[in-house]
Amino acid sequence: AQSVAQPEDQVNVAEGNPLTVKCTYSVSGNPYLFWYVQYPNRGLQFLLKYITGDNLVKGSYGFEAEFNKSQTSFHLKKPSALVSDSALYFCAVRGDTGRRALTFGSGTRLQVQP
Amino acid sequence: GAGVSQSPSNKVTEKGKDVELRCDPISGHTALYWYRQSLGQGLEFLIYFQGNSAPDKSGLPSDRFSAERTGGSVSTLTIQRTQQEDSAVYLCASSLGRGFEAFFGQGTRLTVV
Repeated sequence: AQSVAQPEDQVNVAEGNPLTVKCTYSVSGNPYLFWYVQYPNRGLQFLLKYITGDNLVKGSYGFEAEFNKSQTSFHLKKPSALVSDSALYFCAVRGDTGRRALTFGSGTRLQVQP
Repeated sequence: GAGVSQSPSNKVTEKGKDVELRCDPISGHTALYWYRQSLGQGLEFLIYFQGNSAPDKSGLPSDRFSAERTGGSVSTLTIQRTQQEDSAVYLCASSLGRGFEAFFGQGTRLTVV
């Protein structure tokens, strides 16, 4: 079985401060990891992914994520938050074997205060 | 088209009626997914098609739900005898395969009254 945990329903951060949105996973084989963002009344947009290689991956809008195999984590980070980053963020995983679909976490709402 | 297209964008139906939701994936994408999302909540996996392999139907909540993908392209999700708890946004996504990101459509908002 594969699963994703996003332990925080909501993260609050002041504009200009660094932000972290947490994600841990469980999967058979090696993980393929993804982050998506959903703005109000909009579809899901892809932010970044980890397939293999460098543990630090960079994505859209200045976001980055660090893959940590020993901690089975893939936390999303940004050095300086913007009010416009306020949205719902989803982590997703699938294994590199088998024929399972992408499994999503429950989502974390990010609120960036001016 | 350039992205994943879903129709209709909104559907209001009476309890007990059948509905069909359509998804046009990005051309050339071999993988197609259906999820549903209740208001502001997470994504619930429904069904996954990958190429010519048998679909993964493990997420379908009941036998009232079914889906097909014709010719490796367009997919239709059918809900029979709709119930109020079926009300949600139904999202379709497609990707090139296992290690590739999925691209999502705008979804179909289903309301069962």
